[in-house]
Amino acid sequence: DSGVTQTPKHLITATGQRVTLRCSPRSGDLSVYWYQQSLDQGLQFLIQYYNGEERAKGNILERFSAQQFPDLHSELNLSSLELGDSALYFCASSVGRGQGYSANTGELFFGEGSRLTVL
Amino acid sequence: GQNIDQPTEMTATEGAIVQINCTYQTSGFNGLFWYQQHAGEAPTFLSYNVLDGLEEKGRFSSFLSRSKGYSYLLLKELQMKDSASYLCAVRVRIMAGTASKLTFGTGTRLQVTL
Repeated sequence: DSGVTQTPKHLITATGQRVTLRCSPRSGDLSVYWYQQSLDQGLQFLIQYYNGEERAKGNILERFSAQQFPDLHSELNLSSLELGDSALYFCASSVGRGQGYSANTGELFFGEGSRLTVL
Repeated sequence: GQNIDQPTEMTATEGAIVQINCTYQTSGFNGLFWYQQHAGEAPTFLSYNVLDGLEEKGRFSSFLSRSKGYSYLLLKELQMKDSASYLCAVRVRIMAGTASKLTFGTGTRLQVTL
């Protein structure tokens, strides 16, 4: 158990719909990362938040948005869903001291993922 | 951006040794990670290298050469449970001293056979 909690674990919805994925980081971690993993694809970095602020952005579509709340949990919103959005969405957190860059190895701890199926 | 290459698939025999290579091209390099991911599960951290050389951790070792943009993960005494994908990931600085980003390769699927 990594200590990172993601809900829901599974989600089936239709094209054009909107969904929200939720992530609670490990206790004490200030950084939250979102990744998308399609079938047989690598982990694609979407976005990172540190202590409530957006810190880095990857190849995140304009239809997708995210935020990190004062209690440090994060939500990833996916709208106008398309078939190609079907994927595993992982949230990860890392030890964040100071400015969001860890003096330790800074490895990411991943949640179990939310499997989204768009029909 | 970052370019990370690793073989797509490898097969090895139980009890053997296997080496999974990873090459990368990036600027602002700030560490290389190896993660293990079983199908449908979350990636789990295996090793971290930021300086050149070998890091050993039980049956797993990881090597880094920053000048060559090259790393490998060495798995010894292979067990059936080692069948998984192994992801090479490179961390780069985004802004000096304040933020970094971790980019993953597409992973190497290792099949351990009897």
